[in-house]
Amino acid sequence: DVKVTQSSRYLVKRTGEKVFLECVQDMDHENMFWYRQDPGLGLRLIYFSYDVKMKEKGDIPEGYSVSREKKERFSLILESASTNQTSMYLCASSLELANTGELFFGEGSRLTVL
Amino acid sequence: TQLLEQSPQFLSIQEGENLTVYCNSSSVFSSLQWYRQEPGEGPVLLVTVVTGGEVKKLKRLTFQFGDARKDSSLHITAAQPGDTGLYLCAGEDNYGQNFVFGPGTRLSVLP
Repeated sequence: DVKVTQSSRYLVKRTGEKVFLECVQDMDHENMFWYRQDPGLGLRLIYFSYDVKMKEKGDIPEGYSVSREKKERFSLILESASTNQTSMYLCASSLELANTGELFFGEGSRLTVL
Repeated sequence: TQLLEQSPQFLSIQEGENLTVYCNSSSVFSSLQWYRQEPGEGPVLLVTVVTGGEVKKLKRLTFQFGDARKDSSLHITAAQPGDTGLYLCAGEDNYGQNFVFGPGTRLSVLP
């Protein structure tokens, strides 16, 4: 069974702290994604990666960075967290980038920045 | 920028009723997907439609892709409490690299 695992389900951080969210997939997928989900806004793409050490900006990359040192692992980093980064963060992976490729999501990491 | 709108935003119905939710855009999409997200979980793919006018059925769920590939609908027959969740539509962007998500329809089916 396919599996995308996110390291933390719930986090509470203070403004200015560094936040590290990790995502691991066991499906040998080339492509991995980080989204944030906010009520009424749907899922918005932060960054994606189609290969090890490769990364591409999504629609809202400001304030975030990513790291993909190994194929199965994709990390999202908030260098200095701010209150407007309070959100649900979803990691996903896919075999195909598009052309009807299915996105497999993790359970999400709910981040609160105080 | 390609955008997707979904309606209604919220829907609460009784078990056994039928319902339709909509996904609309002014942009053409080469394919469109529907996902369902249950509380505390990530979204799970229900269906992908790729051809204008295409209709796909998944048990009590019927999905249709508009002829112009700008809109889609999801019809649920005889809704059950297990259908409760957030229904998201996602369209493949023009670059063929990613999917653009709509804001979702939150469905609650009461027993």
